[in-house]
Amino acid sequence: KQEVTQIPAALSVPEGENLVLNCSFTDSAIYNLQWFRQDPGKGLTSLLLIQSSQREQTSGRLNASLDKSSGRSTLYIAASQPGDSATYLCAVELDKLSFGAGTTVTVRA
Amino acid sequence: ETGVTQTPRHLVMGMTNKKSLKCEQHLGHNAMYWYKQSAKKPLELMFVYNFKEQTENNSVPSRFSPECPNSSHLFLHLHTLQPEDSALYLCASSQATGVSYEQYFGPGTRLTVT
Repeated sequence: KQEVTQIPAALSVPEGENLVLNCSFTDSAIYNLQWFRQDPGKGLTSLLLIQSSQREQTSGRLNASLDKSSGRSTLYIAASQPGDSATYLCAVELDKLSFGAGTTVTVRA
Repeated sequence: ETGVTQTPRHLVMGMTNKKSLKCEQHLGHNAMYWYKQSAKKPLELMFVYNFKEQTENNSVPSRFSPECPNSSHLFLHLHTLQPEDSALYLCASSQATGVSYEQYFGPGTRLTVT
């Protein structure tokens, strides 16, 4: 059974600092890995999707890397803003999506 | 309405009540999903429907009964729930089941069982 772990569970940083969120998974036989954002009272929004053959994806201030062989992914958010405050979920897909419990980020103004 | 909508957004029910959660997708998708998100735990897949047919039941207790009358609507009928069933229930849809079909999520229904 695929296990997805996200560390840390919570993170608080001052505005402008770069964010580093970690995700690890136990079974490297995945098709892709996705990072989602979840705001209170709202559903999940997909941020980045990395295919298993790719090493990274970038979108604006967000960059996600994937090391499939070691079962790790990292989400970098550059120059954090208060609007980046949310819970970030990592999910890997084989026959279905398996999610981590998330990292709750607070960016202090 | 656009995207995936869920009603109600919040629900409080007693253990002997019967209630239903509704999900509607306006994306023209053929697959729909129910997920459960308990506090501090990962999302758990509950049910998957593809073209109105249930394709996955992830060992969900029978007190949760899904219904998919068409590709746009998905219901979760609840009866005789337990306090540990209190959670955020998320609905999602995708063009089809299978890898690389992106899932679009609704805002969820926050369920509290008293």
